[in-house]
Amino acid sequence: EAGVAQSPRYKIIEKRQSVAFWCNPISGHATLYWYQQILGQGPKLLIQFQNNGVVDDSQLPKDRFSAERLKGVDSTLKIQPAKLEDSAVYLCASSMDRGHSPLHFGNGTRLTVT
Amino acid sequence: DQQVKQNSPSLSVQEGRISILNCDYTNSMFDYFLWYKKYPAEGPTFLISISSIKDKNEDGRFTVFLNKSAKHLSLHIVPSQPGDSAVYFCAAIGGSQGNLIFGKGTKLSVKP
Repeated sequence: EAGVAQSPRYKIIEKRQSVAFWCNPISGHATLYWYQQILGQGPKLLIQFQNNGVVDDSQLPKDRFSAERLKGVDSTLKIQPAKLEDSAVYLCASSMDRGHSPLHFGNGTRLTVT
Repeated sequence: DQQVKQNSPSLSVQEGRISILNCDYTNSMFDYFLWYKKYPAEGPTFLISISSIKDKNEDGRFTVFLNKSAKHLSLHIVPSQPGDSAVYFCAAIGGSQGNLIFGKGTKLSVKP
């Protein structure tokens, strides 16, 4: 089966600019996640979708971050405006359901904010 | 407040020997634990999991042990191979925490 696809792989922007990341989950996976992984840390959940509805966005900095999952398939994560501390790897993951199904991760987008 | 702790940032073992990676947690409501492996420039991949109703789960060279009273789990890799060199993340879920909580990871280096 095809894995979780993410693009771009790398992005360098200046602070206060905007950036968007795209994710295509594994076909048939109802649950989609966006994680932020700062260097030396474990992944931290930003937002979780079940189909096209938001299940948990409690850790999403909503003043600058937004995400959507139209039609319950692809998803985009946007940062506007970016700050230096947003430099991280942004990982998209999907799973069959919200239970204990293992998450399947994409290769991530490495964002550098200068 | 870290709910999942991996106190060893790195571990080095010789090929063929046992690798033991440790993980501690603070939330007694966690009921499911997972280990993920991550190679550079790739996303984490699921390795093995264990439910809180068990104390051991084995899959080939990989075994996870859970000690609920100590809130501790460990991943054993026997025998270790150079291809096992990666960062290993411990993760937990359960109770009011509806999403996976990850530790900071342990970088394993297996030397030929």
